[in-house]
Amino acid sequence: ETGVTQSPTHLIKTRGQQVTLRCSSQSGHNTVSWYQQALGQGPQFIFQYYREEENGRGNFPPRFSGLQFPNYSSELNVNALELDDSALYLCASSLPTSENTGELFFGEGSRLTVL
Amino acid sequence: AQSVTQLDSQVPVFEEAPVELRCNYSSSVSVYLFWYVQYPNQGLQLLLKYLSGSTLVESINGFEAEFNKSQTSFHLRKPSVHISDTAEYFCAVSRPYNNNDMRFGAGTRLTVKP
Repeated sequence: ETGVTQSPTHLIKTRGQQVTLRCSSQSGHNTVSWYQQALGQGPQFIFQYYREEENGRGNFPPRFSGLQFPNYSSELNVNALELDDSALYLCASSLPTSENTGELFFGEGSRLTVL
Repeated sequence: AQSVTQLDSQVPVFEEAPVELRCNYSSSVSVYLFWYVQYPNQGLQLLLKYLSGSTLVESINGFEAEFNKSQTSFHLRKPSVHISDTAEYFCAVSRPYNNNDMRFGAGTRLTVKP
């Protein structure tokens, strides 16, 4: 069983640029959530995708957007990067609702540095 | 919305000593509660969870947590820690059957010293 995989693992961007982060969900999982974890803090919920639709969003501006594809993989896009966007971005997948015991299965994250 | 407060940002302990990492939550509805562990440069791994039923839940590596509804707490304990338990621990809360807004605490860094 393949777990959640994220790419790239590390990347460096400059202010104003755009970035796309990718996530492949664990086999059998149809829901993907994205979190931002700033240094020394807990993960902050960005949004969740279920059946290719956004299914909940945290307190993040519209320049944070996402997609989910028919194979349940997902992308996180951030436009007009700011210095404060520097963080570890975590993707997590979970089981279909009928089997869902609430657990999120996390990837190892993409570390974004904005200069 | 639900929220989580982890009362200690850092907990240093000696090997084989007991440890308690404190977590309080706030919610107007019933909740699921979780403890996740994060080792350096890795993602989060589930340690244990409370969904319903017995208020005491255990992990395979000796940790346990007790759900206390009256005190809105879900403290994590281990009677004897190992060097390998050194990591960041996060308490999290979500609504039952709906994890589209799982909220995490700020984390507690457990450092086990020889």
